[in-house]
Amino acid sequence: NAGVMQNPRHLVRRRGQEARLRCSPVKGHSHVYWYRQLPEEGLKFMVYLQKENIIDESGMPKERFSAEFPKEGPSILRIQQVVRGDSAAYFCASSPRHQETQYFGPGTRLLVL
Amino acid sequence: KQEVTQIPAALSVPEGENLVLNCSFTDSAIYNLQWFRQDPGKGLTSLLLIQSSQREQTSGRLNASLDKSSGRSTLYIAASQPGDSATYLCAELSGGGADGLTFGKGTHLIIQP
Repeated sequence: NAGVMQNPRHLVRRRGQEARLRCSPVKGHSHVYWYRQLPEEGLKFMVYLQKENIIDESGMPKERFSAEFPKEGPSILRIQQVVRGDSAAYFCASSPRHQETQYFGPGTRLLVL
Repeated sequence: KQEVTQIPAALSVPEGENLVLNCSFTDSAIYNLQWFRQDPGKGLTSLLLIQSSQREQTSGRLNASLDKSSGRSTLYIAASQPGDSATYLCAELSGGGADGLTFGKGTHLIIQP
């Protein structure tokens, strides 16, 4: 009974490159949430998706960041033209229904050189 | 804007002691509150979730309480063990429309053998 899976676990990019972070929710969960944890900061909500739909992206930067959760396959958080300030741990969580317990993945640690 | 505050930021106690971690929140429309533990370089493990209609939840040596009127939650750990050493995070989910959890910055707990 696999939990939330994220890959890669560590990602190194140079400034200006693209970063793609993948999240496979718990089997049967159709609600996915992305959070970012900056160094010395708490976790901040970025975006909430339900299969094929973005429900709430109020926490996501308006430029360079996008997220999707296709009908088949994992949820993807995409960061274009990365900058050093994007270096952080990005966590994905899933839940079976909205407003229920969120189960977190191990995170992807992004380092921008 | 909802805020969650955790005090103390760090705590070190001898093994075997009972201890209390504090969490305060500003959201008067809280839907539920969740306690997590985070180990260094790892993801979050959900410990307890308390619905706004509940006063407390228990799991093993852990007991979490919720007082909506005062905007406070506590996590009580009985008979602490070195394996309890971790960062403990509380997070609230608002019933007022926000879709993501609002996290505190955590309490870094060290249990001395």
